[in-house]
Amino acid sequence: GAVVSQHPSRVICKSGTSVKIECRSLDFQATTMFWYRQFPKKSLMLMATSNEGSKATYEQGVEKDKFLINHASLTLSTLTVTSAHPEDSSFYICSAGRQGGNNQPQHFGDGTRLSIL
Amino acid sequence: QKEVEQDPGPLSVPEGAIVSLNCTYSNSAFQYFMWYRQYSRKGPELLMYTYSSGNKEDGRFTAQVDKSSKYISLFIRDSQPSDSATYLCAMEGNRGSTLGRLYFGRGTQLTVWP
Repeated sequence: GAVVSQHPSRVICKSGTSVKIECRSLDFQATTMFWYRQFPKKSLMLMATSNEGSKATYEQGVEKDKFLINHASLTLSTLTVTSAHPEDSSFYICSAGRQGGNNQPQHFGDGTRLSIL
Repeated sequence: QKEVEQDPGPLSVPEGAIVSLNCTYSNSAFQYFMWYRQYSRKGPELLMYTYSSGNKEDGRFTAQVDKSSKYISLFIRDSQPSDSATYLCAMEGNRGSTLGRLYFGRGTQLTVWP
């Protein structure tokens, strides 16, 4: 099956630090990748849609200057949490769908647990 | 009203039981229906993917979609302790705001005890 790799899996850092999370599709090309945030015992909340070669589309209420997304190639998207604060602590998950004419299901990475002290 | 409704449980069953999970939705634009399994501190893993109404079987798992009732189900036969996880339903449409994005249920937490 499709594999999406997310790195790092765990980050603990001080307030004010910027943190970069990588999402790679390992065995397929992904024109579009998605970034989600998940709070404990809650469902996934879509933050933004990352499009290869163009600007990301952010959901309402998500600060684009806070959560920088870059999708430089068909296999890599990055999310940078800039000047992170304790309220940014959360579980961040990326997903990607295969290119193709028919709808393709999204496959998810294993998430990044971010803790800001 | 949320677009996708799912009872969060928790649901606790003995090993070997048949588990029934379900979701309802309100948007008739949804055409693609998925079930994901999420273990603690992991990303969701795709279990079943169906298009439009009908049934799909994969091993111990059966997914059903009834578009007329806007109701989807996932059945797990001969449940195992390793099935203990949170099960998320997700949907996607083919037009408007539903195109290209997933709409998730809250997830149902399942525990299968030996």
